[in-house]
Amino acid sequence: DAKTTQPTSMDCAEGRAANLPCNHSTISGNEYVYWYRQIHSQGPQYIIHGLKNNETNEMASLIITEDRKSSTLILPHATLRDTAVYYCIVRVHNSGSARQLTFGSGTQLTVLP
Amino acid sequence: GAGVSQSPSNKVTEKGKDVELRCDPISGHTALYWYRQRLGQGLEFLIYFQGNSAPDKSGLPSDRFSAERTGESVSTLTIQRTQQEDSAVYLCASSLAVSNQPQHFGDGTRLSIL
Repeated sequence: DAKTTQPTSMDCAEGRAANLPCNHSTISGNEYVYWYRQIHSQGPQYIIHGLKNNETNEMASLIITEDRKSSTLILPHATLRDTAVYYCIVRVHNSGSARQLTFGSGTQLTVLP
Repeated sequence: GAGVSQSPSNKVTEKGKDVELRCDPISGHTALYWYRQRLGQGLEFLIYFQGNSAPDKSGLPSDRFSAERTGESVSTLTIQRTQQEDSAVYLCASSLAVSNQPQHFGDGTRLSIL
């Protein structure tokens, strides 16, 4: 799976959009971009994933650049409950074998009141 | 609820005792994973079940660790003769078997070995 690079930490004001970047310059054509987050004392939570088109769901939007070498997770109206470590993962489907997740260091997002 | 359920949420036991951790996956999810997460660290893969296929046990750290799954439902992770280094949060995740479907996690069992 391709390596990802994320900032160590970010702050965001409550009610504003939180834009979390991720670089994945070695991504290959069949690798998806996934975002998870982990709130303190909870299990990781799936947020969104995409291949090359921008994606939106009830939690967030995922913007992937045309060359797919970077992406941005957007939380449109951050709340205090969005304070968490956010993980960007790039991975390919391996049919017939374990597709275990490996998290890097992630970005600690702190939403400020 | 409809999410992955794990029990107990917390377990404190003495060194040398056996423990059994339970995971109820999301209904219809044929893939099930166990991970371990030590304090402040990332996920450590333990074992993977997919339908009726033989499980991938490549992440189990020693023969004191074992896991079972009944069909496509409940799974139990057993740790025999616990050691202090087994202290961690044990996380279970499940997913559909279809390509690139995300894993959904429970909140884990926090295991403390005295």
